[in-house]
Amino acid sequence: DVKVTQSSRYLVKRTGEKVFLECVQDMDHENMFWYRQDPGLGLRLIYFSYDVKMKEKGDIPEGYSVSREKKERFSLILESASTNQTSMYLCASSLEPGTRGPYEQYFGPGTRLTVT
Amino acid sequence: AQSVTQLDSQVPVFEEAPVELRCNYSSSVSVYLFWYVQYPNQGLQLLLKYLSGSTLVKGINGFEAEFNKSQTSFHLRKPSVHISDTAEYFCAVLGMNTGFQKLVFGTGTRLLVSP
Repeated sequence: DVKVTQSSRYLVKRTGEKVFLECVQDMDHENMFWYRQDPGLGLRLIYFSYDVKMKEKGDIPEGYSVSREKKERFSLILESASTNQTSMYLCASSLEPGTRGPYEQYFGPGTRLTVT
Repeated sequence: AQSVTQLDSQVPVFEEAPVELRCNYSSSVSVYLFWYVQYPNQGLQLLLKYLSGSTLVKGINGFEAEFNKSQTSFHLRKPSVHISDTAEYFCAVLGMNTGFQKLVFGTGTRLLVSP
């Protein structure tokens, strides 16, 4: 059974703090993703990684960076947290597409971040 | 680029009634389509997906969806809902031959099942 875990379910940080959100998957997936989820906006992709040390910007990368030093771990970094980054953050992972098409993305339980 | 429209932000329904959650997409290339469900305080879980072949796709928990290319729709249906189906449902699209596995999600539909 695929498992994607996130380091915290709830997090409260102050404006200007550097914030690290950690995600670990145990199924040797090549692809890992960070999304933020906001009411009425659905899920928006922040960053994507298709291999160790490789990353691609998603739709809303501003104010975020990522790190993938090991295949199973993908970290999201808020360099200087701001109140408009208060949100639910979801991590996901998937295999590379096969001959029959893409594999599903498996999601972690999410981290609800509040920046005050 | 792809986009997904889920027109209904909330759908209230009584237990054992049928339900349809609507999803329309826009894309200049052929697509793969997905429905995910998010139960309260949990991450997303795949309900079903359309990759190719039969346009009627069956998923978990008695849900099914039909891909209609001419209408660019992928509506989700269940003939008889349970209280436990109360959750948020997201439709997502992935363009074929895109550079990476970028799923584009709709804004979600909250299904509220009452006794």
